[in-house]
Amino acid sequence: DTAVSQTPKYLVTQMGNDKSIKCEQNLGHDTMYWYKQDSKKFLKIMFSYNNKELIINETVPNRFSPKSPDKAHLNLHINSLELGDSAVYFCASSHPMGGGPISSYNEQFFGPGTRLTVL
Amino acid sequence: GIQVEQSPPDLILQEGANSTLRCNFSDSVNNLQWFHQNPWGQLINLFYIPSGTKQNGRLSATTVATERYSLLYISSSQTTDSGVYFCAVRGRGANNLFFGTGTRLTVIP
Repeated sequence: DTAVSQTPKYLVTQMGNDKSIKCEQNLGHDTMYWYKQDSKKFLKIMFSYNNKELIINETVPNRFSPKSPDKAHLNLHINSLELGDSAVYFCASSHPMGGGPISSYNEQFFGPGTRLTVL
Repeated sequence: GIQVEQSPPDLILQEGANSTLRCNFSDSVNNLQWFHQNPWGQLINLFYIPSGTKQNGRLSATTVATERYSLLYISSSQTTDSGVYFCAVRGRGANNLFFGTGTRLTVIP
């Protein structure tokens, strides 16, 4: 009954490779996100998708490309991996911005994270 | 984006002690959440609290939105409370959360 799941949990790869991280949520949310946590534990938004459409793209290199095949999935593809891409990547989901039927309508829920190590 | 400051950055407690963690934010918010990142790296939702007070067991939180701060209270701390506590906010018109730099809590037996 996992709410937000990510695969893989760990990913070790060489510089220059291309890799993907998958995310799925079964909460019925319309909005999904990718956040990056750096080595100092700072968490920052990378992308946000609402109902399969990109609505936020922070200053992320275009080597990172999110893909949303449907509103329950948001995958992250990374081309030409660099050492500085090593981090923990978290997927999250929520209902879209705005009011809702209950006070916690906009609460965000996070997946377990994917630890990416680029050698 | 909104600036989020948390204090203290580090906290060491004896088991059984109480503590208060603070989160200050720079603008009006529509959403404020407290998370616990456990030693395995999981982000656990503690509270969704854009305003008011909530309690869940030994933990409680209060957000005073007009004064732009939130407090997380941990009572009778246990070793399993160790980890990093994050405050995150969503501003009006924004969709994503802005995170603070966290408070690292270590509870020693």
